[in-house]
Amino acid sequence: AQSVAQPEDQVNVAEGNPLTVKCTYSVSGNPYLFWYVQYPNRGLQFLLKYITGDNLVKGSYGFEAEFNKSQTSFHLKKPSALVSDSALYFCAVRDLYSSASKIIFGSGTRLSIRP
Amino acid sequence: EAQVTQNPRYLITVTGKKLTVTCSQNMNHEYMSWYRQDPGLGLRQIYYSMNVEVTDKGDVPEGYKVSRKEKRNFPLILESPSPNQTSLYFCASSPGQAGNTIYFGEGSWLTVV
Repeated sequence: AQSVAQPEDQVNVAEGNPLTVKCTYSVSGNPYLFWYVQYPNRGLQFLLKYITGDNLVKGSYGFEAEFNKSQTSFHLKKPSALVSDSALYFCAVRDLYSSASKIIFGSGTRLSIRP
Repeated sequence: EAQVTQNPRYLITVTGKKLTVTCSQNMNHEYMSWYRQDPGLGLRQIYYSMNVEVTDKGDVPEGYKVSRKEKRNFPLILESPSPNQTSLYFCASSPGQAGNTIYFGEGSWLTVV
């Protein structure tokens, strides 16, 4: 069965430091992987996705993510955190071979950037 | 502007009083879906639709109904709401292919007392 795990409920980083938000997945076929961000009282906004090709994917607001097939991971990274990056982040996987391209979301990681 | 629109954004209702949360998208997307978001549980899929007149259950369909009579609309119906359906609800849409980005509405806060 498909699944997505975000092992950290909360990540705390000082402004200017690099940040990593972890995500691991399990699917039966080739995965399509996504990261979304949710700001308070808002819907989810798309950050980036991995479909195929280069394992390092660049997205919005300076974020990037690295697809690692052997470790079944898709960690979100940013070289230098901003206070405005504080939000709730969701990893999601979409199974290419499922009958309805079902999307599974992780439980979310709250990122807190201190000034 | 491309968007997914949900209404109402906030609603307090009483147990057993039928309600409908509307969802409309203006991007001609085939795929639409409803999720609920609860603390510590992430987003859980309620129902989804691959196209007009095609709907299917997600992970937590109990107590909900949906319909897809038109491509742009995908209402969520709570026939007899109960307090355990108090949650934040999101409608989403995307083109049909699996690799496409999913677009979300702003969310609907529902409280059932």
